[in-house]
Amino acid sequence: EAQVTQNPRYLITVTGKKLTVTCSQNMNHEYMSWYRQDPGLGLRQIYYSMNVEVTDKGDVPEGYKVSRKEKRNFPLILESPSPNQTSLYFCASSPDRGLYEQYFGPGTRLTVT
Amino acid sequence: GNSVTQMEGPVTLSEEAFLTINCTYTATGYPSLFWYVQYPGEGLQLLLKATKADDKGSNKGFEATYRKETTSFHLEKGSVQVSDSAVYFCALTNNNAGKSTFGDGTTLTVKP
Repeated sequence: EAQVTQNPRYLITVTGKKLTVTCSQNMNHEYMSWYRQDPGLGLRQIYYSMNVEVTDKGDVPEGYKVSRKEKRNFPLILESPSPNQTSLYFCASSPDRGLYEQYFGPGTRLTVT
Repeated sequence: GNSVTQMEGPVTLSEEAFLTINCTYTATGYPSLFWYVQYPGEGLQLLLKATKADDKGSNKGFEATYRKETTSFHLEKGSVQVSDSAVYFCALTNNNAGKSTFGDGTTLTVKP
């Protein structure tokens, strides 16, 4: 089944404890992206990648890191999480630069206390 | 930068009512435009799209037309059902840069 998977789905952590949210797609897509969803703010793009080893900042990259060492994986790293990073995070992939539809993962709900 | 402005919600309609959710955008160049739908507890899924001016996207009775002159991509459906209750997002992707911009989302509730 074609899909985007994220792990974990739910995570509660404390301020400053490094964490990684994994994202994987099995559709051989070139493009992958991370978003955060907050009430009243819609979806905001954190980082995106148009191919392996190519990543670019979205609108809200501060406090996040990403890497794209393999085509199928695009992990999101929070080196020192803070409470303002409490949010619902979505990973997405697309065949070509996001011009085509993006396929979204199920989401990761992160709480930083 | 790019921006997407959606009609504020929430929107509550009775079954079989006509739906319009307004969406306007600002962008450089010629973006692709999308409507996504999010059901409770799920990720977003594509509802319809349009990639150039005057294109009409349609799916499941929903329609939207890419209007370059008014920079709009309004979502319409002639007769909504309870199962259409969800959050709807208007979005654009800049053709050259790969950046995507989403609206704030509009929550639709359809009552029997």
